[in-house]
Amino acid sequence: DIQMTQSPSFVSASVGDRVTITCQASQGIARWLAWYQQKPGKAPKLLIYTASTLQSGVPSRFSGSGSGTDFTLTISSLQPEDFATYYCQQANSFPLTFGGGTKVEIK
Amino acid sequence: EVQLVESGGGLVQPGGSLRLSCAASGFTVSSTYMGWVRQAPGRGLEWVSVIYSGGNTYFADSVKGRITISRDNSKNTLILQMNSLRVEDTAVYYCATMYSSSWFFDYWGQGTLVTVSS
Repeated sequence: DIQMTQSPSFVSASVGDRVTITCQASQGIARWLAWYQQKPGKAPKLLIYTASTLQSGVPSRFSGSGSGTDFTLTISSLQPEDFATYYCQQANSFPLTFGGGTKVEIK
Repeated sequence: EVQLVESGGGLVQPGGSLRLSCAASGFTVSSTYMGWVRQAPGRGLEWVSVIYSGGNTYFADSVKGRITISRDNSKNTLILQMNSLRVEDTAVYYCATMYSSSWFFDYWGQGTLVTVSS
């Protein structure tokens, strides 16, 4: 199974800050990676797929990069509605696996 | 507009069974890759199962042999039949569509809570 390791697990940031979350796969997954945002009590929302493709309707302050084993989600200027938990997911092979999550909280 | 509405969750004793449904609108379930993802209380996301438009199915090892995934095309509904339930199956279960026959989950339902407890 491919293990997905996210870091950090917790981020305390202010509105306007640049936030970077990393995700490392235990083996190469090319660019078969997605990022999701989840708010409390809500379903996850797809933000980015194939490592860097922005899902329709997602603000351009979100961006993704990476390939192989190392990936990054960047929020260029944190907005109040961005405080949430973020998950990466590999879509290279079964079983599909998610990272442990990164909670972005207000400083 | 794509909409997914799960139902069928509830409290069940260990060893019991439960049938989850995911009613879809805005697209045809039989023509779309779909899956289930679960989330235990306070925990992260865990993939459960996928069904391809052609009917092939795949399961996480943690549920293999105890869970089946299927479709009711007449009702445009995705179904998850769960048997021999364990305490560790307690979670919110989400159904989701998979983007363009990939393994990325693009549209999600609101989730249904399954609690396995005596």
